[in-house]
Amino acid sequence: TQLLEQSPQFLSIQEGENLTVYCNSSSVFSSLQWYRQEPGEGPVLLVTVVTGGEVKKLKRLTFQFGDARKDSSLHITAAQPGDTGLYLCAGVHGGSQGNLIFGKGTKLSVKP
Amino acid sequence: NAGVTQTPKFRVLKTGQSMTLLCAQDMNHEYMYWYRQDPGMGLRLIHYSVGEGTTAKGEVPDGYNVSRLKKQNFLLGLESAAPSQTSVYFCASSRPGQAYGYTFGSGTRLTVV
Repeated sequence: TQLLEQSPQFLSIQEGENLTVYCNSSSVFSSLQWYRQEPGEGPVLLVTVVTGGEVKKLKRLTFQFGDARKDSSLHITAAQPGDTGLYLCAGVHGGSQGNLIFGKGTKLSVKP
Repeated sequence: NAGVTQTPKFRVLKTGQSMTLLCAQDMNHEYMYWYRQDPGMGLRLIHYSVGEGTTAKGEVPDGYNVSRLKKQNFLLGLESAAPSQTSVYFCASSRPGQAYGYTFGSGTRLTVV
């Protein structure tokens, strides 16, 4: 059972466009994290959200945790080629002994 | 500024051979994890440890063993490798508490032929 569903799976856009990536679940998560992974490397933490309704901004990236703590979104404004990578959401679920459960990821390609 | 270091980076094994993947962290983190990443499957937890001398099973533990004899090291062993264990393996570490993210190593790409 996949507890965290990410959409879209793939996204190819031009430099300067805006985009939103979604992370959804039917389960409640006590916190959610977003990571970015580049080819040949491990995931790198972007942000952690712990409060329902929380919004965090990191330069051109905006992260939101749903009020019911079942979903999250990542919005990128004016995407750049350097944003290219695999974006992973991960959550701490009550039944997982506190370990992170990862979604399958959204592969983003930003073309110059 | 090492963070989490994994060795080796690449390895090819024949079916039935054994090997140990090494993970070392220099951040004094209590928790350590081993994940595997496969196309279409995402990251799946193999084993984890919440402290020196303790280990526990994750989502996909079969065929693997682990040891955490020192706080900074977490070893993943494959006793008899199978082609189904071909994957990219990631080690990670973290502080206790859900507010803290994981720090990942750069991975070991393992091919079993």
